[in-house]
Amino acid sequence: AQKITQTQPGMFVQEKEAVTLDCTYDTSDQSYGLFWYKQPSSGEMIFLIYQGSYDEQNATEGRYSLNFQKARKSANLVISASQLGDSAMYFCAMRRNSGNTPLVFGKGTRLSVIA
Amino acid sequence: DTEVTQTPKHLVMGMTNKKSLKCEQHMGHRAMYWYKQKAKKPPELMFVYSYEKLSINESVPSRFSPECPNSSLLNLHLHALQPEDSALYLCASSQDQGGYNSPLHFGNGTRLTVT
Repeated sequence: AQKITQTQPGMFVQEKEAVTLDCTYDTSDQSYGLFWYKQPSSGEMIFLIYQGSYDEQNATEGRYSLNFQKARKSANLVISASQLGDSAMYFCAMRRNSGNTPLVFGKGTRLSVIA
Repeated sequence: DTEVTQTPKHLVMGMTNKKSLKCEQHMGHRAMYWYKQKAKKPPELMFVYSYEKLSINESVPSRFSPECPNSSLLNLHLHALQPEDSALYLCASSQDQGGYNSPLHFGNGTRLTVT
Protein backbone atom coordinates (compact mmCIF):
# COMPACT_ATOMS: atom_id res chain seq x y z
CA ALA A 1 0.00 0.00 0.00
CA GLN A 2 1.12 3.53 -0.58
CA LYS A 3 0.98 6.28 2.01
CA ILE A 4 1.74 9.99 2.11
CA THR A 5 2.57 11.79 5.35
CA GLN A 6 2.51 15.53 5.85
CA THR A 7 3.43 16.26 9.45
CA GLN A 8 2.83 20.02 9.45
CA PRO A 9 -0.88 20.84 9.83
CA GLY A 10 -0.13 24.56 9.62
CA MET A 11 2.78 26.80 8.74
CA PHE A 12 3.40 30.55 8.88
CA VAL A 13 5.91 32.40 6.75
CA GLN A 14 6.81 36.04 6.36
CA GLU A 15 6.20 37.58 2.96
CA LYS A 16 9.28 37.34 0.67
CA GLU A 17 10.79 34.56 2.77
CA ALA A 18 11.25 30.95 1.61
CA VAL A 19 9.31 28.09 3.19
CA THR A 20 9.62 24.31 3.07
CA LEU A 21 6.59 22.03 3.32
CA ASP A 22 7.43 18.48 4.34
CA CYS A 23 6.22 15.31 2.65
CA THR A 24 7.32 11.72 3.22
CA TYR A 25 5.96 8.73 1.38
CA ASP A 26 5.91 5.00 1.67
CA THR A 27 5.79 2.63 -1.26
CA SER A 28 7.44 -0.59 -2.36
CA ASP A 29 7.16 0.35 -6.02
CA GLN A 30 10.17 1.37 -8.07
CA SER A 31 8.19 3.55 -10.45
CA TYR A 32 6.04 6.30 -9.01
CA GLY A 33 5.30 9.95 -9.35
CA LEU A 34 5.08 12.64 -6.68
CA PHE A 35 2.91 15.71 -7.04
CA TRP A 36 2.16 18.88 -5.13
CA TYR A 37 -1.16 20.66 -5.34
CA LYS A 38 -2.30 24.02 -3.99
CA GLN A 39 -5.88 24.54 -2.87
CA PRO A 40 -6.95 28.11 -2.12
CA SER A 41 -10.09 28.79 -0.12
CA SER A 42 -12.00 28.98 -3.41
CA GLY A 43 -11.64 25.21 -3.66
CA GLU A 44 -9.82 24.64 -6.92
CA MET A 45 -7.02 22.09 -6.75
CA ILE A 46 -4.06 23.57 -8.66
CA PHE A 47 -1.26 21.31 -9.90
CA LEU A 48 2.12 22.83 -8.98
CA ILE A 49 4.96 20.43 -9.62
CA TYR A 50 5.84 16.82 -10.44
CA GLN A 51 8.82 14.58 -9.61
CA GLY A 52 9.28 11.11 -11.08
CA SER A 53 11.00 8.38 -9.11
CA TYR A 54 13.70 8.05 -11.76
CA ASP A 55 14.35 11.75 -12.10
CA GLU A 56 17.85 12.57 -10.89
CA GLN A 57 17.36 16.32 -10.90
CA ASN A 58 15.03 18.07 -8.49
CA ALA A 59 11.98 19.47 -10.26
CA THR A 60 11.54 23.23 -10.44
CA GLU A 61 8.62 25.37 -11.64
CA GLY A 62 9.09 29.08 -11.18
CA ARG A 63 9.15 29.79 -7.44
CA TYR A 64 8.40 26.15 -6.62
CA SER A 65 11.03 23.47 -6.28
CA LEU A 66 10.86 19.95 -5.04
CA ASN A 67 13.61 18.68 -2.74
CA PHE A 68 13.57 14.98 -3.65
CA GLN A 69 15.53 12.60 -1.42
CA LYS A 70 14.72 9.13 -2.67
CA ALA A 71 16.64 7.17 -0.04
CA ARG A 72 14.79 9.02 2.71
CA LYS A 73 11.51 8.83 0.78
CA SER A 74 10.90 12.52 1.10
CA ALA A 75 9.62 15.05 -1.43
CA ASN A 76 9.53 18.45 0.25
CA LEU A 77 8.11 21.49 -1.51
CA VAL A 78 10.13 24.68 -1.33
CA ILE A 79 8.41 27.97 -2.11
CA SER A 80 10.81 30.86 -2.58
CA ALA A 81 9.96 34.54 -2.12
CA SER A 82 6.55 33.85 -0.55
CA GLN A 83 3.64 36.03 -1.62
CA LEU A 84 0.34 36.74 0.12
CA GLY A 85 -1.38 34.78 -2.65
CA ASP A 86 0.51 31.67 -1.61
CA SER A 87 -1.72 31.34 1.46
CA ALA A 88 -3.59 28.09 0.84
CA MET A 89 -3.74 24.40 1.68
CA TYR A 90 -0.96 22.37 0.07
CA PHE A 91 -1.30 18.65 -0.64
CA CYS A 92 1.44 16.18 -1.45
CA ALA A 93 0.25 13.24 -3.56
CA MET A 94 1.60 10.10 -5.20
CA ARG A 95 0.75 7.81 -8.13
CA ARG A 96 2.11 4.35 -8.74
CA ASN A 97 2.86 2.90 -12.15
CA SER A 98 0.66 -0.16 -12.10
CA GLY A 99 -2.88 -0.94 -13.10
CA ASN A 100 -5.51 1.27 -11.58
CA THR A 101 -3.53 3.93 -9.82
CA PRO A 102 -5.58 6.66 -8.26
CA LEU A 103 -3.81 9.67 -6.84
CA VAL A 104 -3.22 9.26 -3.09
CA PHE A 105 -3.14 12.47 -1.05
CA GLY A 106 -1.52 13.42 2.22
CA LYS A 107 -3.57 15.28 4.82
CA GLY A 108 -2.28 18.65 3.71
CA THR A 109 -0.48 21.63 5.20
CA ARG A 110 -2.18 25.00 5.58
CA LEU A 111 0.28 27.77 4.72
CA SER A 112 -0.35 31.32 5.88
CA VAL A 113 1.81 34.11 4.48
CA ILE A 114 2.12 37.14 6.76
CA ALA A 115 2.73 40.66 5.46
CA ASP B 1 -8.34 29.62 -16.01
CA THR B 2 -8.83 25.95 -15.26
CA GLU B 3 -9.04 23.61 -18.24
CA VAL B 4 -11.55 21.40 -16.47
CA THR B 5 -14.92 23.09 -16.14
CA GLN B 6 -17.45 22.11 -13.50
CA THR B 7 -21.04 23.28 -13.18
CA PRO B 8 -22.74 24.39 -11.09
CA LYS B 9 -20.33 26.10 -8.74
CA HIS B 10 -22.76 25.85 -5.84
CA LEU B 11 -25.76 23.58 -5.36
CA VAL B 12 -28.29 23.36 -2.57
CA MET B 13 -30.69 20.42 -2.72
CA GLY B 14 -33.19 18.70 -0.55
CA MET B 15 -33.00 15.05 0.36
CA THR B 16 -35.75 14.13 -2.11
CA ASN B 17 -34.32 16.05 -5.06
CA LYS B 18 -32.56 14.73 -8.13
CA LYS B 19 -29.71 16.83 -9.47
CA SER B 20 -26.63 16.40 -11.62
CA LEU B 21 -23.10 17.72 -11.48
CA LYS B 22 -21.34 18.27 -14.79
CA CYS B 23 -17.70 18.25 -15.77
CA GLU B 24 -16.07 18.98 -19.11
CA GLN B 25 -12.49 18.88 -20.33
CA HIS B 26 -11.02 19.60 -23.76
CA MET B 27 -7.45 18.48 -23.19
CA GLY B 28 -7.90 15.16 -24.96
CA HIS B 29 -7.51 13.30 -21.68
CA ARG B 30 -8.78 9.74 -21.55
CA ALA B 31 -9.23 9.34 -17.80
CA MET B 32 -11.72 11.29 -15.69
CA TYR B 33 -12.33 11.23 -11.97
CA TRP B 34 -14.80 12.26 -9.29
CA TYR B 35 -13.47 13.14 -5.85
CA LYS B 36 -15.35 14.14 -2.71
CA GLN B 37 -13.73 16.51 -0.24
CA LYS B 38 -15.00 17.31 3.23
CA ALA B 39 -13.81 20.45 5.02
CA LYS B 40 -10.17 20.34 6.17
CA LYS B 41 -9.67 16.87 4.68
CA PRO B 42 -7.88 15.65 1.55
CA PRO B 43 -9.96 14.65 -1.47
CA GLU B 44 -11.31 11.09 -1.47
CA LEU B 45 -11.63 9.18 -4.72
CA MET B 46 -15.15 8.17 -5.72
CA PHE B 47 -15.03 7.03 -9.36
CA VAL B 48 -12.59 6.68 -12.23
CA TYR B 49 -13.48 6.46 -15.91
CA SER B 50 -10.90 5.28 -18.38
CA TYR B 51 -11.69 5.52 -22.09
CA GLU B 52 -15.31 6.23 -21.18
CA LYS B 53 -15.68 3.05 -19.12
CA LEU B 54 -16.03 2.91 -15.38
CA SER B 55 -12.84 1.36 -14.02
CA ILE B 56 -12.97 2.22 -10.32
CA ASN B 57 -15.91 2.59 -7.96
CA GLU B 58 -14.65 3.13 -4.43
CA SER B 59 -17.71 1.52 -2.84
CA VAL B 60 -19.73 4.67 -3.30
CA PRO B 61 -23.42 4.50 -2.27
CA SER B 62 -25.83 4.05 -5.15
CA ARG B 63 -27.40 7.45 -4.52
CA PHE B 64 -24.37 8.70 -6.48
CA SER B 65 -24.49 7.60 -10.11
CA PRO B 66 -21.68 8.54 -12.50
CA GLU B 67 -22.01 8.79 -16.25
CA CYS B 68 -19.47 9.42 -19.00
CA PRO B 69 -21.39 10.29 -22.21
CA ASN B 70 -18.18 10.88 -24.18
CA SER B 71 -14.48 11.39 -23.66
CA SER B 72 -14.93 15.06 -22.78
CA LEU B 73 -17.88 14.89 -20.42
CA LEU B 74 -18.43 13.42 -16.99
CA ASN B 75 -21.63 13.66 -14.98
CA LEU B 76 -22.52 12.76 -11.43
CA HIS B 77 -26.22 12.14 -10.87
CA LEU B 78 -27.46 12.69 -7.33
CA HIS B 79 -30.62 11.24 -5.84
CA ALA B 80 -31.92 10.94 -2.28
CA LEU B 81 -28.79 12.36 -0.74
CA GLN B 82 -28.18 12.73 2.98
CA PRO B 83 -26.97 15.85 4.83
CA GLU B 84 -23.60 14.13 5.41
CA ASP B 85 -23.11 14.12 1.63
CA SER B 86 -22.61 17.87 1.79
CA ALA B 87 -19.07 18.48 0.52
CA LEU B 88 -16.94 19.87 -2.27
CA TYR B 89 -17.11 17.60 -5.32
CA LEU B 90 -14.08 17.78 -7.55
CA CYS B 91 -13.79 16.53 -11.08
CA ALA B 92 -10.38 15.79 -12.57
CA SER B 93 -8.86 14.44 -15.75
CA SER B 94 -5.52 12.99 -16.75
CA GLN B 95 -3.89 11.86 -19.96
CA ASP B 96 -4.54 8.25 -19.02
CA GLN B 97 -5.35 6.27 -15.92
CA GLY B 98 -2.21 4.24 -15.45
CA GLY B 99 0.68 6.62 -16.01
CA TYR B 100 2.49 7.56 -12.82
CA ASN B 101 3.88 10.67 -14.47
CA SER B 102 0.49 11.97 -15.57
CA PRO B 103 -0.82 14.69 -13.27
CA LEU B 104 -4.50 15.07 -12.57
CA HIS B 105 -5.98 18.39 -13.58
CA PHE B 106 -8.86 19.47 -11.39
CA GLY B 107 -11.85 21.68 -11.92
CA ASN B 108 -13.01 24.40 -9.52
CA GLY B 109 -15.39 22.03 -7.81
CA THR B 110 -19.07 22.10 -6.91
CA ARG B 111 -19.95 22.98 -3.32
CA LEU B 112 -22.94 20.83 -2.51
CA THR B 113 -25.23 21.41 0.45
CA VAL B 114 -27.92 18.86 1.24
CA THR B 115 -30.75 20.18 3.41
